[in-house]
Amino acid sequence: GEDVEQSLFLSVREGDSSVINCTYTDSSSTYLYWYKQEPGAGLQLLTYIFSNMDMKQDQRLTVLLNKKDKHLSLRIADTQTGDSAIYFCAERLNTGTASKLTFGTGTRLQVTL
Amino acid sequence: DAGVIQSPRHEVTEMGQEVTLRCKPISGHDYLFWYRQTMMRGLELLIYFNNNVPIDDSGMPEDRFSAKMPNASFSTLKIQPSEPRDSAVYFCASTFYSATNEKLFFGSGTQLSVL
Repeated sequence: GEDVEQSLFLSVREGDSSVINCTYTDSSSTYLYWYKQEPGAGLQLLTYIFSNMDMKQDQRLTVLLNKKDKHLSLRIADTQTGDSAIYFCAERLNTGTASKLTFGTGTRLQVTL
Repeated sequence: DAGVIQSPRHEVTEMGQEVTLRCKPISGHDYLFWYRQTMMRGLELLIYFNNNVPIDDSGMPEDRFSAKMPNASFSTLKIQPSEPRDSAVYFCASTFYSATNEKLFFGSGTQLSVL
């Protein structure tokens, strides 16, 4: 079945690292994504990882994928106030056609001074 | 490109009224998606189109909801009659399919309040 779970809230201090976690249940997922939603806006793609990779780094962002445990994480180094937002993980199934993404519940990241 | 454009940004209506939400996808994109976001249920896929044809409408909650895509540059989501439980943010998203990856581009959403 399709079910993507995240913790609802995370608070970190400015300058610290943030780690947002996600678990998914469908082992046939091909791509896993992280989207960011700022207040009053739509979701924006942050980064993604292909299912045959373990890690992907993109500037301050590091994505780790543990396929055995179906666990995905997003690490934000040197977290800034501008990183405050809701972060969604999403999985794309290997449907052979275009993306039908299943989104997680979203994690609200609060960055404090 | 201006991105995915949705209108209106906010809609307040009374129960029983018809509501029409509009979306203009990014030019050249061949897939269009309608999502609904609520606190209780998160982000739900309602329906999506490929080349203007509805592919999967299994997420449409009930017959009061309908969606059309008369051409590649325009789609509507209609609720008739509207009910208070339809209050949510409705997002439209579009993408160009790629076998290796594709990225969804979201509009800013329509905040719907049904009183």
